Amino acid sequence: QQKVQQSPESLIVPEGGMASLNCTSSDRNVDYFWWYRQHSGKSPKMLMSIFSNGEKEEGRFTVHLNKASLHTSLHIRDSQPSDSALYLCAASMDSGYNKLTFGKGTVLLVSP
Amino acid sequence: EAAVTQSPRNKVAVTGGKVTLSCNQTNNHNNMYWYRQDTGHGLRLIHYSYGAGSTEKGDIPDGYKASRPSQENFSLILELATPSQTSVYFCASGDWAYAEQLFGPGTRLTVL
Repeated sequence: QQKVQQSPESLIVPEGGMASLNCTSSDRNVDYFWWYRQHSGKSPKMLMSIFSNGEKEEGRFTVHLNKASLHTSLHIRDSQPSDSALYLCAASMDSGYNKLTFGKGTVLLVSP
Repeated sequence: EAAVTQSPRNKVAVTGGKVTLSCNQTNNHNNMYWYRQDTGHGLRLIHYSYGAGSTEKGDIPDGYKASRPSQENFSLILELATPSQTSVYFCASGDWAYAEQLFGPGTRLTVL
């Protein structure tokens, strides 16, 4: 059973629209969450991390974390075609050894 | 500039043959990781290392060995390759202070 569940599996949003991606861990030991973005044929690159309850914003990207429900969400406003990619959520029990468990990802397509 | 390199970038192997995938990092990170990525499975951790001389089993270690002879180098060894090991393999490095895993460009392995 996948310990990190992501939804939806795929998402199409119009250019300029809002994309919302979800991620939940079933492992109650996790404390830290990351979002990675992977363009087609490329390697994953970290987009944002969140370790505390609440919200974190960086430019067009906002992440939320609810530690009680182990749920995190990524929101992309004013979506651009260049945002089209596979978005991977990862969870870890600590930021030290950083042993990450990844979800299967959400494929985002931003249509011009 | 932080960097993780992998070699080879593409490899075709025969069933039963030995395959060695190499990874080098110039980030002076303590931790290094090997993942495989398959459609529908996301990224799955095979082996990881906390430093030179150490290797630890990840979530799917069967059929794989790892070697960390130095801070900079981490190898993944398939002693008897099987077609089910056809995949894209990513190496990554990270550290507690960095909190982000930096990924190499990936190796596409095909076992015939």
